[in-house]
Amino acid sequence: DGGITQSPKYLFRKEGQNVTLSCEQNLNHDAMYWYRQDPGQGLRLIYYSQIVNDFQKGDIAEGYSVSREKKESFPLTVTSAQKNPTAFYLCASSRQGARGYTFGSGTRLTVV
Amino acid sequence: QKEVEQNSGPLSVPEGAIASLNCTYSDRGSQSFFWYRQYSGKSPELIMSIYSNGDKEDGRFTAQLNKASQYVSLLIRDSQPSDSATYLCAVNWDNYGQNFVFGPGTRLSVLP
Repeated sequence: DGGITQSPKYLFRKEGQNVTLSCEQNLNHDAMYWYRQDPGQGLRLIYYSQIVNDFQKGDIAEGYSVSREKKESFPLTVTSAQKNPTAFYLCASSRQGARGYTFGSGTRLTVV
Repeated sequence: QKEVEQNSGPLSVPEGAIASLNCTYSDRGSQSFFWYRQYSGKSPELIMSIYSNGDKEDGRFTAQLNKASQYVSLLIRDSQPSDSATYLCAVNWDNYGQNFVFGPGTRLSVLP
């Protein structure tokens, strides 16, 4: 079945540590996205990529980094520069034609 | 700054009633409009899309769009307790369908 796989489902980060969240899709979608959701709030765009080897900052990119070496994969690194990383992270993908996103199941990141 | 606004709720309706969820957006050039349902702790799932003025019906759901008023709504007929969730409005403004702005979501509670 086609879809988006995010891993891990839960992730714990120590202070000053970098962590990487995985996102893989087999939908043959060109565009991929990372969103952050805080409790009781909407989705805020971190980074997006419309084509391999290219990506753009979203509204809250500081403290995060991404890569897009393959069409299927769009990993997100939460760096130690992100001071408040505890949140629910959602990866999404879409194809051209204004048909909406497909979301992964999310990764819940907690700082310990 | 493109903005999408929704009442945060909670909106409480009795089982069997019609739930009406509203969304306004700031960019007159917006092209397409989506409603996502998000259960607590889960990722959003697309339930309706609408691209032109008027109504679009799908089962118990009706999306209504009025571009002149920059307003989109979602009606849920015969509301069920399983409809209790947060409903996110998303607006796309480009011609490629690959960039969206999400509203903060309205939390709906259907009371048995």
